[in-house]
Amino acid sequence: SQTIHQWPATLVQPVGSPLSLECTVEGTSNPNLYWYRQAAGRGLQLLFYSVGIGQISSEVPQNLSASRPQDRQFILSSKKLLLSDSGFYLCACRLAGLDTQYFGPGTRLTVL
Amino acid sequence: DAKTTQPPSMDCAEGRAANLPCNHSTISGNEYVYWYRQIHSQGPQYIIHGLKNNETNEMASLIITEDRKSSTLILPHATLRDTAVYYCIVRVYGGGGSNYKLTFGKGTLLTVNP
Repeated sequence: SQTIHQWPATLVQPVGSPLSLECTVEGTSNPNLYWYRQAAGRGLQLLFYSVGIGQISSEVPQNLSASRPQDRQFILSSKKLLLSDSGFYLCACRLAGLDTQYFGPGTRLTVL
Repeated sequence: DAKTTQPPSMDCAEGRAANLPCNHSTISGNEYVYWYRQIHSQGPQYIIHGLKNNETNEMASLIITEDRKSSTLILPHATLRDTAVYYCIVRVYGGGGSNYKLTFGKGTLLTVNP
């Protein structure tokens, strides 16, 4: 079965600093990958999804970008963090032919 | 996706069955019922899904009423580790790209007490 890794687990960054969050998937190939953000006390917001290497779709305009350099690697980045970028960032994987999404452990980002 | 209504919180004694209700009166014929849960500070975890027949797996059972307007997630022997927010989602199966995005409501906070 698939395993989703995310790092770092927690991160505290100053406003204006860059960001790089990494997600890797084991145990499957050609997955659809997703980046979600969960703000405190709020639901999930889909940020980006990818159906393959180099293919990124953005759901909402924002201060973030995503890349998929390898089949099982998904990266979330920012050149300059804003206070509003704070939140719990979740990477999810959907296997080909299935509808269920499996989530990683998340990265808690605090921007000060 | 159809809207769902869940109680904000529930309590359950350890070892007893936890029955979590969900109303989805506007569900359409091609929409499935999904359940996920999120333990504090962890990523959401898929539990089970179904269309109209009752479903059971190693984690839980899903009972969907005949008119499909409501469902109940059953954890047969709740443990302290089942304390989490449980989300009921109704959505069309399949589609492409962002059609797979999940939207969670506020869910039900289940607290399992010793």
